[in-house]
Amino acid sequence: KAGVTQTPRYLIKTRGQQVTLSCSPISGHRSVSWYQQTPGQGLQFLFEYFSETQRNKGNFPGRFSGRQFSNSRSEMNVSTLELGDSALYLCASSFVPEDVYEQYFGPGTRLTVT
Amino acid sequence: AQTVTQSQPEMSVQEAETVTLSCTYDTSESDYYLFWYKQPPSRQMILVIRQEAYKQQNATENRFSVNFQKAAKSFSLKISDSQLGDAAMYFCAYRSKMTDKLIFGTGTRLQVFP
Repeated sequence: KAGVTQTPRYLIKTRGQQVTLSCSPISGHRSVSWYQQTPGQGLQFLFEYFSETQRNKGNFPGRFSGRQFSNSRSEMNVSTLELGDSALYLCASSFVPEDVYEQYFGPGTRLTVT
Repeated sequence: AQTVTQSQPEMSVQEAETVTLSCTYDTSESDYYLFWYKQPPSRQMILVIRQEAYKQQNATENRFSVNFQKAAKSFSLKISDSQLGDAAMYFCAYRSKMTDKLIFGTGTRLQVFP
């Protein structure tokens, strides 16, 4: 079956703009988690959605938000972009949040803020 | 708060040899999950091996095995018979059973030389 897909794969934005990233989980998976990966901070948890509800949230400012649709697809939005938001954004899906053994990652979206 | 530390930013190994990647973590919880993930240059994160804290037996997956020392809060990964395809970033991760949040270390870049 198809893996986790993320669109777009690459994105260049200007400071102050906003951006929306998309994640389509593996068919049947209802839990989606988002992570930010930077050389300086490593991988940091952003938030997790299950059945259209946010279950967990990391320590990120309110400029970072997300949502999940009824088909389990998830989007994350970053408003008022800052240079420090340049990162690889990864999403991961699993059947249910407790399914730690079957969490699959997508290829990521590389966001560059200039 | 839980933390994960990988003290080796880079490691190298010759093909067919064995290498051990170190990971230590800090937590006040008694039951949790530990993982090693591999991120090849293509960026797709792949689960290599997992360990449940309540299981004393060290996990093994083919050429990959762990040395889990719960009292010392240490979780090292041993790769035997290293192959060129093992070259990647390796991340150690902790997952709380209480919060389900996945916390990553900063990663170790493994180079494999022929």
